Amino acid sequence: DQQVKQNSPSLSVQEGRISILNCDYTNSMFDYFLWYKKYPAEGPTFLISISSIKDKNEDGRFTVFLNKSAKHLSLHIVPSQPGDSAVYFCAASAVRGGADGLTFGKGTHLIIQP
Amino acid sequence: KAGVTQTPRYLIKTRGQQVTLSCSPISGHRSVSWYQQTPGQGLQFLFEYFSETQRNKGNFPGRFSGRQFSNSRSEMNVSTLELGDSALYLCASSSRDRGRETQYFGPGTRLLVL
Repeated sequence: DQQVKQNSPSLSVQEGRISILNCDYTNSMFDYFLWYKKYPAEGPTFLISISSIKDKNEDGRFTVFLNKSAKHLSLHIVPSQPGDSAVYFCAASAVRGGADGLTFGKGTHLIIQP
Repeated sequence: KAGVTQTPRYLIKTRGQQVTLSCSPISGHRSVSWYQQTPGQGLQFLFEYFSETQRNKGNFPGRFSGRQFSNSRSEMNVSTLELGDSALYLCASSSRDRGRETQYFGPGTRLLVL
């Protein structure tokens, strides 16, 4: 039973264009969402988060959108750069954030093409 | 601040052996969580320690155990290793910001069981 789903295992985007990574969740108790970026042989790096009381959070080139009614969130990267090529994980938690551990999606491999 | 550190980075064991992995959190972080990453299952939560007490536990067998010391450093132990335990083991320490916890990951320990 996957509570956090990233339905696209991979995504290819041209450099300079917008990358949109999607994530769906099923547990309505989730109230805090995070995106992590992971390079091979490294641990995930925290990118951006959003609380369920918001519908948008922006940090530089990264924007996360949350649609609670659809139980859907997305990460927008504008403009996409070669260094953005990595695996992106969506994660969610309930109540106190890390209290029950983060539930991760299986990741989307983003490939930025020159 | 120094990031989360994990030792060793790589480990090769044989079936039936046991292994201990170590994690030093970011200075000031009191919560440490452990995750297992495998190609098929993605990132799965093992357990979380806070102030030397196990606060949460994922769905893993009792062969997986951990502990946390008074300086917040944590160890994870796997006994009677099985081939399926081959994975990247990630440790994350947490900070709390306005009630929300964000986890910061170490580089991981790559365990290979032969």
